[in-house]
Amino acid sequence: GESVGLHLPTLSVQEGDNSIINCAYSNSASDYFIWYKQESGKGPQFIIDIRSNMDKRQGQRVTVLLNKTVKHLSLQIAATQPGDSAVYFCAEPPSDYKLSFGAGTTVTVRA
Amino acid sequence: ETGVTQSPTHLIKTRGQQVTLRCSSQSGHNTVSWYQQALGQGPQFIFQYYREEENGRGNFPPRFSGLQFPNYSSELNVNALELDDSALYLCASSPDSFSEQFFGPGTRLTVL
Repeated sequence: GESVGLHLPTLSVQEGDNSIINCAYSNSASDYFIWYKQESGKGPQFIIDIRSNMDKRQGQRVTVLLNKTVKHLSLQIAATQPGDSAVYFCAEPPSDYKLSFGAGTTVTVRA
Repeated sequence: ETGVTQSPTHLIKTRGQQVTLRCSSQSGHNTVSWYQQALGQGPQFIFQYYREEENGRGNFPPRFSGLQFPNYSSELNVNALELDDSALYLCASSPDSFSEQFFGPGTRLTVL
């Protein structure tokens, strides 16, 4: 069954504001997570990953936070732009060869 | 772009028919995974092929089958199509079975 899940199915954010997308997981043994972005008509695209020995990892305009105590991770997008409009998934990497995705959060950026 | 290509882009079939979807992996990648993505849902793992052998399978019935060729391209076959098979079918390739997967644009299958 699904072991990762997103909190909100949709998020509307004003252009220039920061976005926060949340994800919960159930398997305490999970040690690696990936955030994907899926734009309309395209396959998921890797954004950033984090391992369980880290609490935070930063990329270009994106930050992922991992709270192992409550089994929660979040993706923060700074200064959200129209090109950030997409569906965002958190996923666990191949475990028994199966990449498990949550249901996704649709981010809509308002001009 | 990821270098992973899929064909066709769209397909319409009727219940009971059979369909074959194709995927060309990124150069240097020997692993191909297939996913089914229903509307509004996250991708669900169907199976993975590594060096021409099935290397793991998700919770899909046997009428979902696959094949990987010596050049590591792959096919997904679905027999006896059902209405619920309507979905976006995604292919992802990776250098091996535990590395980052690169997704193609998908094939949109509609079953009427």
